[in-house]
Amino acid sequence: NAGVTQTPKFQVLKTGQSMTLQCAQDMNHNSMYWYRQDPGMGLRLIYYSASEGTTDKGEVPNGYNVSRLNKREFSLRLESAAPSQTSVYFCASQGLSYEQYFGPGTRLTVT
Amino acid sequence: AQSVTQPDIHITVSEGASLELRCNYSYGATPYLFWYVQSPGQGLQLLLKYFSGDTLVQGIKGFEAEFKRSQSSFNLRKPSVHWSDAAEYFCAVGALKGGSEKLVFGKGTKLTVNP
Repeated sequence: NAGVTQTPKFQVLKTGQSMTLQCAQDMNHNSMYWYRQDPGMGLRLIYYSASEGTTDKGEVPNGYNVSRLNKREFSLRLESAAPSQTSVYFCASQGLSYEQYFGPGTRLTVT
Repeated sequence: AQSVTQPDIHITVSEGASLELRCNYSYGATPYLFWYVQSPGQGLQLLLKYFSGDTLVQGIKGFEAEFKRSQSSFNLRKPSVHWSDAAEYFCAVGALKGGSEKLVFGKGTKLTVNP
């Protein structure tokens, strides 16, 4: 039982490049989330998906798109990366008692 | 909208000493409250949660937290800290929307444990 997995673990992009962060969970959870973590800022919600086929904006959605590919997978796409998107990105899924389970994170640097 | 304040950015305690990490929240209804811990380079792990009922909740690793509605607080405590407790701790308040829990996190408290 792997829980929540994320790929890649590390990524360096140049300004303007695009990339997709992948997330998968094997706990049969309906809701999934993408957060970014910046020093001194805690975690901020980018997008979430309450169920397969639905997505909603969180606190900081600008510059990102998401796809809920199926119940297991929820991807985050940066179409044109900017230095302000340098961050650590966490995916999470929500259990039956509303607790969230987090993946190990993707550390992204945009130069 | 809900919000969370963790007043202490950094706390240092000696191993074996007691610990209390503060958390204050703002939310219009009865909140769902959580404490998570993050070790360096890792994701977040749930320590404990409060939904309703007994205001003193027990979590993993010997941690407990007390919900005080009158003070809008949910402070985390441990009677005797171990060196392995050094990490960053996040308090979060949740609001349900369409069956999904939207969490708002505090900015975290970094705990250093001296030998």
